[in-house]
Amino acid sequence: TQLLEQSPQFLSIQEGENLTVYCNSSSVFSSLQWYRQEPGEGPVLLVTVVTGGEVKKLKRLTFQFGDARKDSSLHITAAQPGDTGLYLCAGGSFGNEKLTFGTGTRLTIIP
Amino acid sequence: DAGITQSPRHKVTETGTPVTLRCHQTENHRYMYWYRQDPGHGLRLIHYSYGVKDTDKGEVSDGYSVSRSKTEDFLLTLESATSSQTSVYFCAIKSGGREKLFFGSGTQLSVL
Repeated sequence: TQLLEQSPQFLSIQEGENLTVYCNSSSVFSSLQWYRQEPGEGPVLLVTVVTGGEVKKLKRLTFQFGDARKDSSLHITAAQPGDTGLYLCAGGSFGNEKLTFGTGTRLTIIP
Repeated sequence: DAGITQSPRHKVTETGTPVTLRCHQTENHRYMYWYRQDPGHGLRLIHYSYGVKDTDKGEVSDGYSVSRSKTEDFLLTLESATSSQTSVYFCAIKSGGREKLFFGSGTQLSVL
């Protein structure tokens, strides 16, 4: 069974600060996705990275896929209250239509 | 929102009662998934479907069955609900390749 561990589990910071959350595994993934989930709603896809070392930016969010395709990070610059939510990473497997989800990082941005 | 509707949104039931949750999509997507979400466990795959009458088990399939008689509907059944099945259940469809999933709004199920 492939496992994805996210850290930290909880993070609470002031508006304007920078932060990084991590998604780690001992398994290799064909792709890595990040989702954000708000209370009472389903997760919403933010980005997909597919190449080892790939970096993608989405406004103030920067996503990186590890060179060995086993880990990923999400960096947020100048966090805003609207960034508050549960962040989930998910790994895709070769030749397989299933995603493995991480345990999540619950982020709270304090105004 | 990828045209996904889950029903009901909330349900309270008693142990031993059968329960069916419905996922309906309007865009003819081939792949549909049922996940459960519990604190500390993230999202765990229960069952998925890759076409009408084609389904397969996920990592936590015990106690659950599914059916897909039409492209647009994917049903999740708890034959005899237990308290350990209290959870939030999400349906998802795959769209756009690379396992990109789009989720419904979830069903909060409480088994007393």
